[in-house]
Amino acid sequence: DGGITQSPKYLFRKEGQNVTLSCEQNLNHDAMYWYRQDPGQGLRLIYYSQIVNDFQKGDIAEGYSVSREKKESFPLTVTSAQKNPTAFYLCASTVRASDTQYFGPGTRLTVL
Amino acid sequence: GENVEQHPSTLSVQEGDSAVIKCTYSDSASNYFPWYKQELGKRPQLIIDIRSNVGEKKDQRIAVTLNKTAKHFSLHITETQPEDSAVYFCAASNSGGGADGLTFGKGTHLIIQP
Repeated sequence: DGGITQSPKYLFRKEGQNVTLSCEQNLNHDAMYWYRQDPGQGLRLIYYSQIVNDFQKGDIAEGYSVSREKKESFPLTVTSAQKNPTAFYLCASTVRASDTQYFGPGTRLTVL
Repeated sequence: GENVEQHPSTLSVQEGDSAVIKCTYSDSASNYFPWYKQELGKRPQLIIDIRSNVGEKKDQRIAVTLNKTAKHFSLHITETQPEDSAVYFCAASNSGGGADGLTFGKGTHLIIQP
């Protein structure tokens, strides 16, 4: 999981602003994922992508958008339509034929 | 969709004793069940996983058991040590291994008492 990086580590946003979280991997993994974690909660799937230029909604996609223009990159945009965006955001990746998801270090987003 | 329930939410055990965390899932098509350990402020780390064609898997002090009929799986940690203190998450997937994403339980905060 050392090959997955997320930036920034901490992010502060004013209400009404869109922000983009970065996720990059150099593991040559096919699939990438975004999860959201709230205090005392498990991780919930926002979006995932199994191949370049294709992605699917997860369980809580409303208010978020993604793109997958390159295999190694899967940025997540938190839009102003997301009602409660303050959370810890985790990116993960996996080789398509494998099962194990490896997580990045996370970005902690706080809305002021 | 899949729903994963995890119990207990907090577990306190004496150092050296065993700890057991249990999860149930709703989708009978689920076939991949990983367990992650997360320390405060850190990323989740995979500690063990099991597939539906196996009933039990062991790795040193950690074991996982799966009962497909009852749709539940459990994590067993023996001879607990202070470094085992963390939040543990179970997860399930029905896509042949998480390719469509994982559904997580809400976590168990394991506290190892010295």
